[in-house]
Amino acid sequence: GAVVSQHPSRVICKSGTSVKIECRSLDFQATTMFWYRQFPKKSLMLMATSNEGSKATYEQGVEKDKFLINHASLTLSTLTVTSAHPEDSSFYICSARGGASEFFGPGTRLTVL
Amino acid sequence: DAKTTQPPSMDCAEGRAANLPCNHSTISGNEYVYWYRQIHSQGPQYIIHGLKNNETNEMASLIITEDRKSSTLILPHATLRDTAVYYCIVRWDTGNQFYFGTGTSLTVIP
Repeated sequence: GAVVSQHPSRVICKSGTSVKIECRSLDFQATTMFWYRQFPKKSLMLMATSNEGSKATYEQGVEKDKFLINHASLTLSTLTVTSAHPEDSSFYICSARGGASEFFGPGTRLTVL
Repeated sequence: DAKTTQPPSMDCAEGRAANLPCNHSTISGNEYVYWYRQIHSQGPQYIIHGLKNNETNEMASLIITEDRKSSTLILPHATLRDTAVYYCIVRWDTGNQFYFGTGTSLTVIP
């Protein structure tokens, strides 16, 4: 099946720094990728839709200046958490659409100290 | 997209069939039913999807009622590795986002 990777798998940073998370579709091209956030024992919450070559579409309540998304190629989308704070600590998951299905990455655990 | 309702948790004995129900009473005619599962601290894994006919693959079977207002995911012989949160999602086949509900936490008991 299609494979989606994320890097890094785990990151710890200091409050106030920015963190970039990469999402790659390894064996298919994805014009659309999605970013989710998941808090402990909670469901996945869609943050934004990333479209190759255009601006991302953010869900209501998600700050676009806080969570910068870039989808510069058909196989790579990046999420940058700017000026991270402890409340941004979460599990961030991306997905990429391949045909009628959506394939998820393994997730990135962000801890902000 | 239509919303779904699932029981929060279920147990199943190892080797037995696990039957996970999902209600989607507001589903529209062009919306598919998708099932994903998430093992702890991993990304969701695709299981199966269908429109109105029952579907089967190497992982599971999907039974959709005739009125399409509910469905059941069947894991025919549950193993300990099937312990996960199972999500039932409805959306257009070529639609946009997946909106996850709360899912069912399945625990397979030895």
